[in-house]
Order: sequence, then C-alpha cells, then structure tokens
Amino acid sequence: EVQLVESGGGLVQPGRSLKLSCAASGFTFSNYGMAWVRQTPTKGLEWVASISTGGGDTYSRDSVKGRFTISRDNAKNTQYLQMDSLRSEDTATYYCATYITGKAFDYWGQGVMVTVSS
Amino acid sequence: DIVMTQTPSSQAVSAGEKVTMSCKSSQSLLYNENKKNYLAWYQQKPGQSPKLLIYWASTRESGVPDRFIGSGSGTDFTLTISSVQAEDLAVYYCQHYYNFPRTFGGGTKLELK
Repeated sequence: EVQLVESGGGLVQPGRSLKLSCAASGFTFSNYGMAWVRQTPTKGLEWVASISTGGGDTYSRDSVKGRFTISRDNAKNTQYLQMDSLRSEDTATYYCATYITGKAFDYWGQGVMVTVSS
Repeated sequence: DIVMTQTPSSQAVSAGEKVTMSCKSSQSLLYNENKKNYLAWYQQKPGQSPKLLIYWASTRESGVPDRFIGSGSGTDFTLTISSVQAEDLAVYYCQHYYNFPRTFGGGTKLELK
C-alpha cells in the first residue's frame, strides 16, 4: 500500500524557516517524481514545487522561487521542502504527492498544516 | 500560466442523477506529438486529501467506478457522473500537467439537494 506521511509543519513567525518532510513507502520511490501542493480555503489548490526521479531537475512556482527548496533522498525514501523567509500568504495545508514523469499526481499524503503568523 | 476555470462552483444533486461539470483551460492541453490531453480530475472529500480520478482527460485511474467519465479535448473538458451516489458528494478539481506551473481549477462542489 502506498503511504506518504508529511511532517514538520507548525506555527512559525514571518521571516523564519521551516522544513517539511515526506516519508514514502509501498512503492519504488526512485521511480517517481515528487511534488508539493498546498491548499487554502481562499486560493484553493496550488502546486508549489516538483522534483524529478533523480533530483536533478526541480521546478517551483514563481511566488516561492528563491525562498523554497525541494529536495529528495532516494536512499531514505523521503522528500523535503525547505521553506525560508516565510510569509503569511504561505499559510496552508501542504500535501506531498507523487507522479510518473509527465503525468498527473497519482498519490497524495494526508497533508501537514503550516501557519505563518506573529 | 494556464488558467483553469471550472463551472459551476457548486451543484445540488439527488442520488441517481446524472451530473456534468465543466473545466476550461486558457490554452490547449493537447500535445500534438502524442495526441494526449494533459488534464486530470481529482475528487476531494471533507477532511481528506485529493484523489486522482481521471488522467489524460478520459482515462480512469485504477479502482475508480465507471460512473465517472472524463471527456473533452483542447481547452474544453467535462467530468460526468452517470448516476450520483451519496459517497460522490465532494469537491471535484481539474488540473493541467501540460507545463509548469501546474495549475488547478477552483473546484465544483457537489451537495445534496
């Protein structure tokens, strides 16, 4: 059974950092691209970043470029999202998701809440 | 960025009804080299994460009931539920994966009439 378990969320002040993790099991992690998608009641679902199977290619939305870094460790079956210089508008539930290269997000984690507030 | 527009934003339905919802993209999602439309549909129930229903605009994910039917091409897409069941009450999102950034529609919420 595919499992994606996010961790690392919480309450953080504006300008500070947070690192999310997504531990994967039940599939061959190194065969799948990985992504982070966030959701808020006002903006809905927003793709945040994606990383290729080997980690050599990364993509991110403009609003997080230079602040968020996606990475993965295939030996640990885990992907990460390092979030720096956090803003109130980054407040959201963050989901980890998998994809086969060039395809839709086929598995999603349960989500982790990130709240940016003073 | 490709803008995804879903209509209606909400729809009240009765069990057994046929339901259709629309998703329009601001540019074509049809990749000429392989003739595939890079469009997916997801279902999200309250308190749960999104679940992939349909990809390539019309291919059902494994285990998805055949009452869920995806259709359309280019910029206009439709998700049809042939006979709504109580467990189908959820928010449905379309999403393109044609290029980056991936974008989602605003969702169509199915509610009980």
